[in-house]
Amino acid sequence: DQQVKQNSPSLSVQEGRISILNCDYTNSMFDYFLWYKKYPAEGPTFLISISSIKDKNEDGRFTVFLNKSAKHLSLHIVPSQPGDSAVYFCAAANFGNEKLTFGTGTRLTIIP
Amino acid sequence: DARVTQTPRHKVTEMGQEVTMRCQPILGHNTVFWYRQTMMQGLELLAYFRNRAPLDDSGMPKDRFSAEMPDATLATLKIQPSEPRDSAVYFCASALTGGNSPLHFGNGTRLTVT
Repeated sequence: DQQVKQNSPSLSVQEGRISILNCDYTNSMFDYFLWYKKYPAEGPTFLISISSIKDKNEDGRFTVFLNKSAKHLSLHIVPSQPGDSAVYFCAAANFGNEKLTFGTGTRLTIIP
Repeated sequence: DARVTQTPRHKVTEMGQEVTMRCQPILGHNTVFWYRQTMMQGLELLAYFRNRAPLDDSGMPKDRFSAEMPDATLATLKIQPSEPRDSAVYFCASALTGGNSPLHFGNGTRLTVT
């Protein structure tokens, strides 16, 4: 039972354009969401997070949007750069609980 | 730059053998997680500890997997006996309890069971 779903296994985007990665969740108890980035042969690294009291959080080129009614969040990267090529994992938790439930990941490839 | 250290990086073993994976969390972090990455399931939580006490191991097949923290600087994950379906990358992560401090992951142990 996958409580956090990333339905696109892969995505290719031209350098300089916007990358949009999507994530859906089924557990309405989740109230804190994170994105992690993973390069080959390395562990995931934290990228950006959002709590359910917000619908948007921005950090430089990265913005996460949360639509609670749709149980959907997205990560926007603009402009996309070759170094953004990686696997991106969406994760969800109950605020105050470190236990994260991850999605299956989306492999993003930025085309120069 | 503090980081989580996992050993070994790679392990190839035959079915039925015991496998032990080790993790050194970031100094001062009191919560330690074991995750497994597979293509189908993404990152699955196997077990986690807070202050060395197991909090949740519901993700672990208990007949063959065991996780321990002998001390604050070492976490171990054992599989006995190993099976080909255990082939995956196993990640350890640590965090500091309080709010939602991000998890810091090690670089993983890639396990292949033949």
